[in-house]
Amino acid sequence: NAGVTQTPKFQVLKTGQSMTLQCAQDMNHNSMYWYRQDPGMGLRLIYYSASEGTTDKGEVPNGYNVSRLNKREFSLRLESAAPSQTSVYFCASGGRDFTDTQYFGPGTRLTVL
Amino acid sequence: SQQGEEDPQALSIQEGENATMNCSYKTSINNLQWYRQNSGRGLVHLILIRSNEREKHSGRLRVTLDTSKKSSSLLITASRAADTASYFCATDTGRRALTFGSGTRLQVQP
Repeated sequence: NAGVTQTPKFQVLKTGQSMTLQCAQDMNHNSMYWYRQDPGMGLRLIYYSASEGTTDKGEVPNGYNVSRLNKREFSLRLESAAPSQTSVYFCASGGRDFTDTQYFGPGTRLTVL
Repeated sequence: SQQGEEDPQALSIQEGENATMNCSYKTSINNLQWYRQNSGRGLVHLILIRSNEREKHSGRLRVTLDTSKKSSSLLITASRAADTASYFCATDTGRRALTFGSGTRLQVQP
């Protein structure tokens, strides 16, 4: 039981490049989330998916797109990376909704030059 | 300021001492959760307290919630070096998102 896994662990991009961050969970959770964490700050929600086939914007969705490929997988895409997107990205999964405990992956450290 | 704000921002104590950190929030909540983050790692859920609860315990952790003051506290008793981490409160306001504070960095000196 691996919990929540994320790939890659580290990535360096140049401004304008695109990339997809992958996330998978094996806990049969309905909800999945993408957050970003900037230095010295808490997490901010980018997008979430309450169930397979649905996605919704969070607090900071601009510059990102997501895909809930199936119940296990939830990917985050940066179409044209910008230096302001330099951050640590965390994927999480949870039960029914936000009232449930969330389980976090180890994070992806992204630097955009 | 943010919905959830932890206080203090940083705390340094000796092993064996108790550590108390506080979280204040602005709007009414359904529940409040505390998470721990070790350096360079993801967050780990510690405890969830619902709006109709006043206190919860889990091992060496004690969480209180005062909805009249819109505040919560996390007490770690008999701290250990392994408790060194950042601690975040997260509030569920029913707006389909958890709002995280900026965290308290706890350093436990051996």
